[in-house]
Amino acid sequence: KAGVTQTPRYLIKTRGQQVTLSCSPISGHRSVSWYQQTPGQGLQFLFEYFSETQRNKGNFPGRFSGRQFSNSRSEMNVSTLELGDSALYLCASSSHSGGSWYEQYFGPGTRLTVT
Amino acid sequence: GESVGLHLPTLSVQEGDNSIINCAYSNSASDYFIWYKQESGKGPQFIIDIRSNMDKRQGQRVTVLLNKTVKHLSLQIAATQPGDSAVFFCAESYGNNRLAFGKGNQVVVIP
Repeated sequence: KAGVTQTPRYLIKTRGQQVTLSCSPISGHRSVSWYQQTPGQGLQFLFEYFSETQRNKGNFPGRFSGRQFSNSRSEMNVSTLELGDSALYLCASSSHSGGSWYEQYFGPGTRLTVT
Repeated sequence: GESVGLHLPTLSVQEGDNSIINCAYSNSASDYFIWYKQESGKGPQFIIDIRSNMDKRQGQRVTVLLNKTVKHLSLQIAATQPGDSAVFFCAESYGNNRLAFGKGNQVVVIP
């Protein structure tokens, strides 16, 4: 079974621009979560989507948004990029449908650099 | 490869020795705990998990210990191998598929 894939793997943007990152979950997984990883803050939860609905949201500004499609693929968008948005953005999928936690499988991440 | 983190606590271990990585978690309501391993250029990889109704769980060469009284989690790796060199994160789940990660510990295995 193929793992979680993320595209692109590397991205360079300038301040003020916007960016869209893509994640394809493991086949059959309906939950997709996004995380931001930086040296200073570590791994921080952005949001989770399940069946095209945002089910959980972390403490990030509204510039960070996402969506999920009917095939469970997900995108996240960051508008008006700031230097501090430079990070590794990780996507994780799980078969979680509710209740107890289920194992999350992570993709390799998209390295975003904002200049 | 990717730089996972800077200024992480680092544990240097001789190959073949046992490793112990510690983690303090924050939320007493957390009911599920996971250890992840992250190698350079890769996303976190699941190692082992434990529910809050347990205090110990063993896997292949790994053992996780949970002390809810002091909100402490540890990962023991037996017979550490060069392939164990990575950053190790603990994570806690406090409901609904949401994880909060610790800062991470860098493990360096000395051949």
